[in-house]
Amino acid sequence: AQKVTQAQTEISVVEKEDVTLDCVYETRDTTYYLFWYKQPPSGELVFLIRRNSFDEQNEISGRYSWNFQKSTSSFNFTITASQVVDSAVYFCALSEGGSEKLVFGKGTKLTVNP
Amino acid sequence: DSGVTQTPKHLITATGQRVTLRCSPRSGDLSVYWYQQSLDQGLQFLIQYYNGEERAKGNILERFSAQQFPDLHSELNLSSLELGDSALYFCASSVDLGPIKDTQYFGPGTRLTVL
Repeated sequence: AQKVTQAQTEISVVEKEDVTLDCVYETRDTTYYLFWYKQPPSGELVFLIRRNSFDEQNEISGRYSWNFQKSTSSFNFTITASQVVDSAVYFCALSEGGSEKLVFGKGTKLTVNP
Repeated sequence: DSGVTQTPKHLITATGQRVTLRCSPRSGDLSVYWYQQSLDQGLQFLIQYYNGEERAKGNILERFSAQQFPDLHSELNLSSLELGDSALYFCASSVDLGPIKDTQYFGPGTRLTVL
């Protein structure tokens, strides 16, 4: 069965601090896809990144970076020099190769204080 | 803006009633997915349609049903509403043309309040 665990329920940081959001997943499939979505206070779900199980290369996009490690079944997300606009709930999600659905973690609420 | 549209944005209704939520996918996307976000259950997959046909079913109650029309828009029908059905309902869409899984892009959601 597929499962995603985001152990950090809430994180609060001060602007310009770096912050890492943890995501641990469980799956029996060798082919799977991992995602991060952002849900700002306005409520919509914004796609951030997608990774497949065969691509363990880390990715950097501006202040955002992602660390995918199959050995520890983790797909962690780091925001460098956080800003108030980064305040949101962040969801990690998993989709197995043969499944159509996304399985989401419970989300981590990030608050960046000025 | 993801390109997925959902109407209405907010819906307030009473227990026992029936409502219809509407979703228009991104241009060119063949798959539509419905998800429910509640405080208790988090984000849960309900159902997927691909080019008019039901493709996958998740934790969708029998009181709920969906369909996808020839123009690819989709509707989620919720009937005999209960207080516990109050939630944010998201629609997502993806292209799904080949074996590689595509990203699901989400609409802004419909917030349903059952009083």
